Amino acid sequence: GESVGLHLPTLSVQEGDNSIINCAYSNSASDYFIWYKQESGKGPQFIIDIRSNMDKRQGQRVTVLLNKTVKHLSLQIAATQPGDSAVYFCAERRNDYKLSFGAGTTVTVRA
Amino acid sequence: NAGVMQNPRHLVRRRGQEARLRCSPMKGHSHVYWYRQLPEEGLKFMVYLQKENIIDESGMPKERFSAEFPKEGPSILRIQQVVRGDSAAYFCASSLYGTGDEKLFFGSGTQLSVL
Repeated sequence: GESVGLHLPTLSVQEGDNSIINCAYSNSASDYFIWYKQESGKGPQFIIDIRSNMDKRQGQRVTVLLNKTVKHLSLQIAATQPGDSAVYFCAERRNDYKLSFGAGTTVTVRA
Repeated sequence: NAGVMQNPRHLVRRRGQEARLRCSPMKGHSHVYWYRQLPEEGLKFMVYLQKENIIDESGMPKERFSAEFPKEGPSILRIQQVVRGDSAAYFCASSLYGTGDEKLFFGSGTQLSVL
């Protein structure tokens, strides 16, 4: 399953399929990006980060892609599991310390 | 290693009362950030503090809101004379260096409900 644009806040994906969550950022000067996962009633949990001098970074079952030309960030989750159901936020760093968060995408995994 | 600790988890106040939210950063972290989250929205930056110093409070309302991070003890976010619009989840995060290119570790938040 794939979310397209910031205006599609939900993504439903079949268990075992790959998920793609998209995020458009606003500031071309942003140089650091993070994906967070937030489960209901909990604080955001770090998933993966990427600096602007990279275009791809892989973690365990997750990959982040950065396209600076179009100011687009995506998070790919391989073999989505029920435990991946959560709200996913992208965040960009616009100055030395302040992270700005997007509105989030709710991912629901279907059994 | 204890993570970022916030208390209380839930706080109910009546309009006009004061709310005090506490945050203990991760061990060794001296940089604290407060964020507010409204339902169905992302986190909005409020204030960034180092020990005994407010570095950036540009996201915090000028009236009724204040924050501190004393030399000893937790960081406190204080909201005076609360109104219904203050109802939200308030998250605290901490980092080691405060350089920005390091991940923030978040607490579980305080859910403030104003009646």
